[in-house]
This record gives sequence, C-alpha cells and structure tokens, in this order.
Amino acid sequence: SQQGEEDPQALSIQEGENATMNCSYKTSINNLQWYRQNSGRGLVHLILIRSNEREKHSGRLRVTLDTSKKSSSLLITASRAADTASYFCATDPRAYKYIFGTGTRLKVLA
Amino acid sequence: GAVVSQHPSRVICKSGTSVKIECRSLDFQATTMFWYRQFPKKSLMLMATSNEGSKATYEQGVEKDKFLINHASLTLSTLTVTSAHPEDSSFYICSANSWGKGDNYGYTFGSGTRLTVV
Repeated sequence: SQQGEEDPQALSIQEGENATMNCSYKTSINNLQWYRQNSGRGLVHLILIRSNEREKHSGRLRVTLDTSKKSSSLLITASRAADTASYFCATDPRAYKYIFGTGTRLKVLA
Repeated sequence: GAVVSQHPSRVICKSGTSVKIECRSLDFQATTMFWYRQFPKKSLMLMATSNEGSKATYEQGVEKDKFLINHASLTLSTLTVTSAHPEDSSFYICSANSWGKGDNYGYTFGSGTRLTVV
C-alpha cells in the first residue's frame, strides 16, 4: 500500500493564485521529497526536507513538515500555467526505497 | 548535476515479444537503481531494486521472471519485460541513487518509457 497520500487529488486554480497540496504518511521517515511530473514524462525533483526540519523554501515553493502529524504541505505561490502538472510526495520508510504518494493533479488556468 | 537517461521513451510491441528498457547514469556511478511502474493517473509503484553485480530485489507481487533486471555495470541497469501482454502496458520509470551528486540529495529519475503492448 502507498505510504503517502496527497490531498486534494485534483486542484484547479487561476494563474496568480497560490496552490497548496498536502501529503500524509504512515511511518517514521528520514526525509520527505516533493516531485513534479508533467503528463507522460519523468519526475522532476523539487525539494527535499529532512525529518529535523520544519520548513524549507525554494523559489516560489514552500514546504512544511510536521512529523508529529506525519504530514507535509507544498505551497506554490503566484502559480503559472507552466506549473500545471502532477505533484507527488515521496518518503523513505525503508532506507533508500522511496514510496510515493497518490499525487495531486494541479491545473493552473491562464 | 546528476543525469539519468532512460531509453526508449516510447515502445510499441506485439503480445508475446520481449522489450528491453535501459537506464543509464550519465555522469555518476550508481550502485543502486530502482524501477517503478505507473498506471494512468496513478502513483508510482516500486517494482524492484537493482543492485550492481548482484541479483535484483523485487517487491512483493512483482514477477521476477516476467520483469528481468540486469545491473551489469555501475552506470547501466536494464529492465526486460518478457512475453509482454497488453496488461503490461504502462509507464516505466527508473531512478538512480545519486546521493551527494547534484543538488537533489537522493534520487535522480529517468524520463520514463511508455510501453504499449498490442
């Protein structure tokens, strides 16, 4: 079964708005990563947050991690049409074996 | 940064034939690579861990005789789908352990292979 579950499964917003997606997981982790996947393509690594970190920024991306709640959120600010993609969180419940969440399909309308 | 090349990007084959997918780490050595399968609009399911110079470790429910993995060198792992059937049609993605190389601190993914079995 999947370690992580993203919420919502699908999100549609207007360009310029912020997009927030959440990831919940079940077991303890060393780190959590967020990836983007454009339709029919490979995965692009966005950001990694370690279990001892609470928040991390990268450009328009902001990731938070709450290990007590076993959850993480990804915020994309000032979204653009090019941000349209599926976003996955990945956790490492077993060393070096990342388990992917179910994904959030984001659609940014121009 | 770390780069992983996956080939082919798309392949169509007839039922009963075998298809080989290659995953290469271009600028680093990868002792461990991973193979994932993704169904349409679904998440990635880990199929197996490919270890250089030793047998692959398969996840529960994955047929090792169906999905042959060979990791003969530090830069190449191959996945062969044997006697392919339409239900094997899927998107297959590899990743390589690239810790300390590039800026992703973990895994670099290939661009994926879309397999269609007709």
